[in-house]
Amino acid sequence: EVQLVQSGAEVKKPGESLKISCEGSGYSFTNYWIGWVRQMPGKGLEWMGIIYPDDSYTAYGPSFQGQVTMSADKSISTAYLQWSSLEASDSAMYYCARCFGDCHAFDIWGQGTRVTVSS
Amino acid sequence: QSALTQPRSVSGSPGQSITISCTGTRSDVGNYNYVSWYQQHPGKVPKLMIYDVTKRPSGVPDRFSGSKSGNTASLTISGLQAEDEADYYCCSYAGSYILVFGGGTKLTVL
Repeated sequence: EVQLVQSGAEVKKPGESLKISCEGSGYSFTNYWIGWVRQMPGKGLEWMGIIYPDDSYTAYGPSFQGQVTMSADKSISTAYLQWSSLEASDSAMYYCARCFGDCHAFDIWGQGTRVTVSS
Repeated sequence: QSALTQPRSVSGSPGQSITISCTGTRSDVGNYNYVSWYQQHPGKVPKLMIYDVTKRPSGVPDRFSGSKSGNTASLTISGLQAEDEADYYCCSYAGSYILVFGGGTKLTVL
């Protein structure tokens, strides 16, 4: 079964760092882009960026460039999204998703990682 | 990159057809045939319903169809069913590996 499994919910304080993960299985992880999507409470989906695990090429959405860092470890079929200094406004659900073809649509989604940032 | 524009809500009765619009610009929807649509039930993970404007992934009912004219893409659901009640998001390629989502549309089945 093709699936993406994300790390569990996180509760952090402002200023702390965080790295969440997304492990792919059931397919060739290096042959598909992985994207990250943010959904703030009660709000819509926002495209954050994508990474190609084979060479770690990344593309960031304008609102997220410099705010987060995407990375991947192809040896363990895992992509990561990290923050160096969290803010309360980073509280949201974060989804990873597999992007197929030339990465124009997401066909497989992770279950989501809820991040709560509160003092 | 601005979000694509969708109506905040649409509604229809069981058996009817509804259409959700998704308006972008010449830089995204109007320039590429790479519009996708996602269905998201409350508290659930988004699900791909349409890709490349008109294509349906395996398992998606043929009641769901997509189209595009100029800078506006559309999702049509025919023969509405109660289970179709959900939020729907469009997404378009905007060049240089960038994708952009619409603001989402809440579909209510009356």
